[in-house]
Amino acid sequence: DIQMTQSPSSLSASVGDRVTITCQASQDISNYLNWYQQKPGKAPKLLIYDASNLETGVPSRFSGSGSGTDFTFTISSLQPEDIATYYCQQYDNLPPFFGGGTKVEIK
Amino acid sequence: QVQLVQSGAEVKKPGSSVKVSCKASGGTFSSYAISWVRQAPGQGLEWMGRIIPILGIANYAQKFQGRVTITADKSTSTAYMELSSLRSEDTAVYYCARGGGSSGWQIDYWGQGTLVTVSS
Repeated sequence: DIQMTQSPSSLSASVGDRVTITCQASQDISNYLNWYQQKPGKAPKLLIYDASNLETGVPSRFSGSGSGTDFTFTISSLQPEDIATYYCQQYDNLPPFFGGGTKVEIK
Repeated sequence: QVQLVQSGAEVKKPGSSVKVSCKASGGTFSSYAISWVRQAPGQGLEWMGRIIPILGIANYAQKFQGRVTITADKSTSTAYMELSSLRSEDTAVYYCARGGGSSGWQIDYWGQGTLVTVSS
């Protein structure tokens, strides 16, 4: 199984800050990586697929990069509505494990 | 507009089974994979398995092999997830979700979630 190590597990930042989350795969997964946003009590929402492609309708302040084993998710300018937990997910091999999540809060 | 509507909350006794449904509308049900993902209280997301209705083939996470069965009824555009031999650790919100895109893993539409509580 391919394990996904996501960091940090939580962060606190100010509105307008640049926020970066990393996800490391235990083996090469090419670009087979999704990023999701989950707000409390809600289902996850796909933001980024294939490591760097923005899902339709998702604001451009969200972006993803990386390939192989190391991936980065960035919010270029944190907004109050971005308060949520963010998850990466690999889909190179079954099972498509999720990372442990990063809880983003406003400072 | 694609919608996935799941059945309501369940309370089950340890050792029993639960079957959760997920009815799709607004899209071509058979062509997309339907995954089941669960989330225990305060915990992360856990993929359980998926089915591609047009093929009728299901894949399961090793952790749930032998306890979970995922099926799909193309005539009603409904997917089902049945989990047996329930224990307290199975208390969670269970989501169905559609996998789209060229990879089939752009999980772009999610059901509202079904809370399953396992308690004696």
